[in-house]
Amino acid sequence: RKEVEQDPGPFNVPEGATVAFNCTYSNSASQSFFWYRQDCRKEPKLLMSVYSSGNEDGRFTAQLNRASQYISLLIRDSKLSDSATYLCVVTTGFSGGYNKLIFGAGTRLAVHP
Amino acid sequence: GAVVSQHPSRVICKSGTSVKIECRSLDFQATTMFWYRQFPKQSLMLMATSNEGSKATYEQGVEKDKFLINHASLTLSTLTVTSAHPEDSSFYICSARDTAGGRDTQYFGPGTRLTVL
Repeated sequence: RKEVEQDPGPFNVPEGATVAFNCTYSNSASQSFFWYRQDCRKEPKLLMSVYSSGNEDGRFTAQLNRASQYISLLIRDSKLSDSATYLCVVTTGFSGGYNKLIFGAGTRLAVHP
Repeated sequence: GAVVSQHPSRVICKSGTSVKIECRSLDFQATTMFWYRQFPKQSLMLMATSNEGSKATYEQGVEKDKFLINHASLTLSTLTVTSAHPEDSSFYICSARDTAGGRDTQYFGPGTRLTVL
């Protein structure tokens, strides 16, 4: 079983749509949780951290359910520029003394006019 | 925000040659840098953690003699793919850890696309 699992998509949605991505992680000792965005052939960029209380940043809302080991990302009023792959990331364990980032394979979003 | 650069951005080489990739933190010092590899349509996989002034820590299944890592200064880590083969063709991405001012954030470089013929 993969440590971080995501629906690969693609999600094809029209502009203005609301879209939700889900992610599950296997290690209950995971400590920190993030959503990254990766554009085609580019490096990943941090979109937002995810907290148990839930957090919102403009059109983006992230939720964490530690009991279910489940993370979600909601994007409202989708824009063409939101088209990208969204990576669910958790930190777990130590690599040379530091928490290491474990990446999901990503969910691809394509927003069309 | 912090910037991390990688060089080269793209490299094509013949099988059997060695390729060196540089990762630099441009406006902060990074005692720790990470090297990842990403195959098409797959997730980033951590290869190794590079610590300034000490040996790198490799993830299980990553050959340390094939992927040589040197972290000689607080702003530079290098990854050398030795005797590269076509199966080493991948997108290699580094990240640098910024811990100044109580932060603990990884910033990613733009990646190096390696193609081995």
